[in-house]
Amino acid sequence: EAGVAQSPRYKIIEKRQSVAFWCNPISGHATLYWYQQILGQGPKLLIQFQNNGVVDDSQLPKDRFSAERLKGVDSTLKIQPAKLEDSAVYLCASSLSGANTIYFGEGSWLTVV
Amino acid sequence: SQQGEEDPQALSIQEGENATMNCSYKTSINNLQWYRQNSGRGLVHLILIRSNEREKHSGRLRVTLDTSKKSSSLLITASRAADTASYFCATDTGGGNKLTFGTGTQLKVEL
Repeated sequence: EAGVAQSPRYKIIEKRQSVAFWCNPISGHATLYWYQQILGQGPKLLIQFQNNGVVDDSQLPKDRFSAERLKGVDSTLKIQPAKLEDSAVYLCASSLSGANTIYFGEGSWLTVV
Repeated sequence: SQQGEEDPQALSIQEGENATMNCSYKTSINNLQWYRQNSGRGLVHLILIRSNEREKHSGRLRVTLDTSKKSSSLLITASRAADTASYFCATDTGGGNKLTFGTGTQLKVEL
């Protein structure tokens, strides 16, 4: 079974530039999550989708972050404009609807300089 | 905000020894989960314990939960070098699988 796919794996951008991360969840997983993990900390949930609807985006900095899952499968997370403090790993994860086990991708590492 | 705090922050042991890490949390939970993260990789689900359970086993893993103390512990028995990783507890407080992760314990198992 293919896992959660993310790209790009690494990205270096200058502050005030924009960046987009793509995620393809495990086939059949209705729930998709984006987490932000700053070095030395645990992951923090940014947004949770159920199919193409948003379940929770309470910790998403909406002035600069946006995410979409238009057809209920792939998702894109965008940051515009980026700040130095956005340097982190962005983890995409998915799960079956109602299931407790979450499957994570390898992450997209962002460095803002 | 971080719901869970793991203790210790870092742990170094010899292969074959047991490793114990603890997690404390602040609010009532539906379940508590433990995840492993190898350096530079994503997180891998290890085990889930529900709020009405006190102990659970999976292979070399043993998890306990004390809801009165709002704490959990993860025991890895007969550790191996391949167990070297960061371990995170995560709490589900409101259902819907919205997890809040702790700060993690870095485990190093030396040969």
